[in-house]
Parts: sequence; structure tokens; C-alpha cells
Amino acid sequence: SAVISQKPSRDICQRGTSLTIQCQVDSQVTMMFWYRQQPGQSLTLIATANQGSEATYESGFVIDKFPISRPNLTFSTLTVSNMSPEDSSIYLCSVIGAGVRPDTQYFGPGTRLTVL
Amino acid sequence: GIQVEQSPPDLILQEGANSTLRCNFSDSVNNLQWFHQNPWGQLINLFYIPSGTKQNGRLSATTVATERYSLLYISSSQTTDSGVYFCAPFTSGTYKYIFGTGTRLKVLA
Repeated sequence: SAVISQKPSRDICQRGTSLTIQCQVDSQVTMMFWYRQQPGQSLTLIATANQGSEATYESGFVIDKFPISRPNLTFSTLTVSNMSPEDSSIYLCSVIGAGVRPDTQYFGPGTRLTVL
Repeated sequence: GIQVEQSPPDLILQEGANSTLRCNFSDSVNNLQWFHQNPWGQLINLFYIPSGTKQNGRLSATTVATERYSLLYISSSQTTDSGVYFCAPFTSGTYKYIFGTGTRLKVLA
């Protein structure tokens, strides 16, 4: 399985500011994803982070609000821009294509964001 | 896109009881995973089960892909089983997992 770390683990931010979340994997992976989990809700896919090209966003999510980078096969960042209290969520990085089972998905520990 | 519904949404059990969680999905899938999200928010892989039945200790899972559902069985439940259980089918056409609505389980001592 993959070992995934995220930074920061939690943060409290003021509205109107931006936060960049980092995701680091201990091995090269095929796919990296970013999910959002609002309080008491399921996980919603924000986008697929594509190595060396623009991310692929799901319906309802746009690049201006959630810019994503993936400079190589082990690292990605998600920025939450111009934050509002509605952005308070857990943001999770996940990967596919690590280890013995290429289609198994693994998750990082998440970043717990509170926007005041 | 694919719709994923889980039932029941909430479940309270006495320690030692058994339970069955269900996951229905609206389209053909290539794979399916079950996850447990513990009270600290960490998602733990339980099963990778595109079809058939698998067992791991007190937990087992069955996926009947042709009928578009999967079941997760928890036997002799313990308080550490508390948390939220998610199923996530995978479609090769879109190459992503879509999460179900979740079942929130609380096991009482």
C-alpha cells in the first residue's frame, strides 16, 4: 500500500484568504485525486490531478477556486482560494496505482480546514 | 453519472450484535471498495471486492455486480467498529471511485 502524507493536518483561516494543501506519496502512482468532505457528509471528488497538465475538475468545481498542481508522480497541491465559511471541510488526497493492486485507492490523513 | 446509495443511513448496535450494510449502485462497475472512516477522520481500506465474497476477521463483504449491489457484514461488533462506512464503486470508463452516502454506525458498550 501507499503511504500518503498531507500538510497541514489542520488550519484555521480567515475569509478571503487562500490555503495550499500539500500531498506527498512515498512511491510513484498513476492517479492522484482531491476530495472534499463537508461536515457530516460523504466524500465529493473535486478533481483528478494530472501530472504535467491541467487538472480535470468535476461538475461544480472550478480551477479559479481550487487550483491544483502535480509536478511529478509523487506530489500534488490543492489551493483553496478566496475562502468563505462554506469551504470549512476536510480535504483529502487519494491515489490509485500504488503497490500490488493497481486499482486500489488509498487516502491520506486529510486536512481539516476551518474558515472564520 | 453513477448513483450510489447506502442503507441504513444510521445504525446503533449493542456490542456483540451482528449487522449488514448495503450498497446499491446504478451502473455497471469494474471494482468496488469498502472503507471505514474512524472517529478521527482517517479512511481505512476494508475490502477491494469487484465480485464474489471476501472475509477478514469479523468482517466480510459480498458484491453481486450483475445485480448492482454489495453487502458488508459485521459480526460480533465492538465499540472500535464505530464510525462511518462507505462503499465506493469504480468505473473504468471514468477511471475514478464515486463514494456512496455512507452508513454511520455506533456500537454501544
